[in-house]
Amino acid sequence: EVQLVESGGGLVQPGRSLRLSCVASGFTFDDCALHWVRQAPGKGLEWVSGITWNSGNMGYADSVKGRFTISRDNAKNSLYLQMNSLRVEDTALYYCVKGADYGSSGYTDYWGQGTLVTVSS
Amino acid sequence: DIQMTQSPSTLSASVGDRVIITCRASQSISTWLAWFQQKPGKAPNLLIYEASTLQSGVPSRFSGSGSGAEFTLTISSLQPDDFATYYCQQYNSYVTFGGGTKVEIK
Repeated sequence: EVQLVESGGGLVQPGRSLRLSCVASGFTFDDCALHWVRQAPGKGLEWVSGITWNSGNMGYADSVKGRFTISRDNAKNSLYLQMNSLRVEDTALYYCVKGADYGSSGYTDYWGQGTLVTVSS
Repeated sequence: DIQMTQSPSTLSASVGDRVIITCRASQSISTWLAWFQQKPGKAPNLLIYEASTLQSGVPSRFSGSGSGAEFTLTISSLQPDDFATYYCQQYNSYVTFGGGTKVEIK
């Protein structure tokens, strides 16, 4: 059974940093691209960032480019999102999402349950 | 960046109705399109990929069609379990989602 378990969310002040983690199991971790997708309260889905199987290619939404950094550790079956210079508008539930393909162009097939990030003073 | 536009944003329907949701891409994405269903408090669930391929375990009343820049998700006979929000996703270049379509009880 595929499992993606996020952690690291919480309440943080604007301008501060937070690091999200996701531990995966139930599939061959280094065969797949991985993504972070967020959903603000009562809003739709927004892709945040993605990383290919070997970390050779990373992509970011314009809204987070230059502030967020995605990374992965295939030896630990783990995905990370370093979030710096956080803004109130970054408040959302952050999902760790598995890609169905190893590259940057593949649909997403499994989702974690999310970790909530709240940016507020 | 590829933008995805879904319509309608809200749809009121009754059990047994045929429901059609449309998704338009800002440029051609071939058939690199997926559809998801999301219920309140839950993560999205994959329904269809490559525009028309049904994910394993998804009921056959769901179907997808289209190519290029225009796509549709059809629910042939709406069931009580289908009242939810639906999202399209392009994966031609990383990933982008449509704004969502909430299917409500009429």
